[in-house]
Amino acid sequence: EDKVVQSPLSLVVHEGDTVTLNCSYEVTNFRSLLWYKQEKKAPTFLFMLTSSGIEKKSGRLSSILDKKELFSILNITATQTGDSAIYLCAVSRMGGSEKLVFGKGTKLTVNP
Amino acid sequence: SAVISQKPSRDICQRGTSLTIQCQVDSQVTMMFWYRQQPGQSLTLIATANQGSEATYESGFVIDKFPISRPNLTFSTLTVSNMSPEDSSIYLCSVDEGRLGEQYFGPGTRLTVT
Repeated sequence: EDKVVQSPLSLVVHEGDTVTLNCSYEVTNFRSLLWYKQEKKAPTFLFMLTSSGIEKKSGRLSSILDKKELFSILNITATQTGDSAIYLCAVSRMGGSEKLVFGKGTKLTVNP
Repeated sequence: SAVISQKPSRDICQRGTSLTIQCQVDSQVTMMFWYRQQPGQSLTLIATANQGSEATYESGFVIDKFPISRPNLTFSTLTVSNMSPEDSSIYLCSVDEGRLGEQYFGPGTRLTVT
């Protein structure tokens, strides 16, 4: 059965801290790994990763994938209170179903 | 990315009634999906809405409980039938725009069943 595991499940930091969120997966016919940010209801797309070792970066957020060890990390530097959210990791597969398999998410709280 | 809207944004419904949620996309998309997110849980796929044919349901979800329509490439509806408090969730539609699996989500519908 396909599985996506995120850690930690929750994290509380102070503004300015750097955080690393983890996502490991077991999935057949891996196609891509995606990161989303969920603040209220709708998840907002952050990154999609398909190749090992290539960092994706957007402002203070960056992410990298290791297809050999089957995990990804999401880094947030110089955190701000606006980064408080649930960060979701999901994996898609090649062929057949296009569905995404989601992890349970990491709830990040950034205190001023 | 496509702009996705959902209606209603939220609703409070009584046990035993049904609610239909609408999802509208501003461009034609092949793949549309419906997800459920129960309180404190992650997203679970209910079904894939196929244009011109019946939806494809995931294990644990059935058409009688969650009938889906997909009359064209920009619109879909999900009905939550004969509701119980366990159906209280956020319901999200999403579209798949790329070749590598990236999906974009609508704003969601927060449903509370009393």
